[in-house]
Amino acid sequence: ETGVTQSPTHLIKTRGQQVTLRCSSQSGHNTVSWYQQALGQGPQFIFQYYREEENGRGNFPPRFSGLQFPNYSSELNVNALELDDSALYLCASSFAATGEGNTGELFFGEGSRLTVL
Amino acid sequence: QQQVKQSPQSLIVQKGGISIINCAYENTAFDYFPWYQQFPGKGPALLIAIRPDVSEKKEGRFTISFNKSAKQFSLHIMDSQPGDSATYFCAASGFHGSSNTGKLIFGQGTTLQVKP
Repeated sequence: ETGVTQSPTHLIKTRGQQVTLRCSSQSGHNTVSWYQQALGQGPQFIFQYYREEENGRGNFPPRFSGLQFPNYSSELNVNALELDDSALYLCASSFAATGEGNTGELFFGEGSRLTVL
Repeated sequence: QQQVKQSPQSLIVQKGGISIINCAYENTAFDYFPWYQQFPGKGPALLIAIRPDVSEKKEGRFTISFNKSAKQFSLHIMDSQPGDSATYFCAASGFHGSSNTGKLIFGQGTTLQVKP
């Protein structure tokens, strides 16, 4: 059983650029959630994907978007990067029997550390 | 109403002592309360979780105490060890109804240092 893997582990971008982060979910999981963790803070929910559709979104602007693929892997895209987007981006996978809620037992990857200059 | 407030921000405990971290929530629709442990450079890992139908859950040295009327829950680490030194996050979420997606609302975190 493989865990949640994320790539890249570190990257540096400049303001206004776009970034794509990738996540492979844990074997047997069908739901992927993305979180943003600023330095010294708790993770904040960005959005969740289930059956290739967005299934809930936190308080993040539309320039944060995502995709889920048939193999349940996922991408997080951020356009028009701002300095405040510098953070650790965490992907978490879980299993949901239906689209309405899941066990909440999220399994996190080690994150992608994004620095925006 | 979506906040989860965690205290203390940092905690220093001697080896063998008891570490206690507290959390309070506002949304009565929350019905799942996990604790996560995060080491530097790693993602959070689920430590223990509780649902509001019980007041206490124990797994090894880790115990969650839950007070539904006060909307508070706490993590107790018994016989704390230097290897427990990490950042701990409480979280909460609701699971029922189409408006809930299982998203977790995290507390701000507690950095625990266990001195040998």
